[in-house]
Amino acid sequence: AQSVTQPDIHITVSEGASLELRCNYSYGATPYLFWYVQSPGQGLQLLLKYFSGDTLVQGIKGFEAEFKRSQSSFNLRKPSVHWSDAAEYFCAVGGTDTDKLIFGTGTRLQVFP
Amino acid sequence: ETGVTQSPTHLIKTRGQQVTLRCSSQSGHNTVSWYQQALGQGPQFIFQYYREEENGRGNFPPRFSGLQFPNYSSELNVNALELDDSALYLCASSWGIGAARGKEQYFGPGTRLTVT
Repeated sequence: AQSVTQPDIHITVSEGASLELRCNYSYGATPYLFWYVQSPGQGLQLLLKYFSGDTLVQGIKGFEAEFKRSQSSFNLRKPSVHWSDAAEYFCAVGGTDTDKLIFGTGTRLQVFP
Repeated sequence: ETGVTQSPTHLIKTRGQQVTLRCSSQSGHNTVSWYQQALGQGPQFIFQYYREEENGRGNFPPRFSGLQFPNYSSELNVNALELDDSALYLCASSWGIGAARGKEQYFGPGTRLTVT
């Protein structure tokens, strides 16, 4: 079955600290992987996406993610977190055999000054 | 360039009632997808409309239905509301099908539906 697991429900970091949000997926075909961010009262904003090629993907707002096929993972990273990064982060998977995105349950990021 | 807009922002309905949610797609986009996001959950795909035709549906009962108009705006209708229908309903637009294959979807802010 196709699924996305985000094992961390809530993460708290200090401003300036590094960040890694975990995402594991289960997908039978070639996966397309996405990270979205959702701020309170806002819709989802695409941070980055992976389709093929270089397994390290750069996104907006200084985020990057690395696709590791052997581990079925697509973890999101940022070297130095800003207070404005506090939000809910969702990992999603899609593929060539479907036009729908399957989302994880999200990780809530809290940033302390 | 106008982004995706949704109306209303918030809505309270009683169990058994019917509701219509509206979405205006981003300028130039001809595909609209609807998602349901329950509290503490990720969005779940309801269905997608492409050029006024349903193009894919998630695991939702037939009482969830939709329309897309010639200007590519869209409606989501839910009949016989149940308490579990309480959620944030998100609309996303894109140019062409293939949202999960690369065509970026742009999400609206959502409509918060509460069923009492």
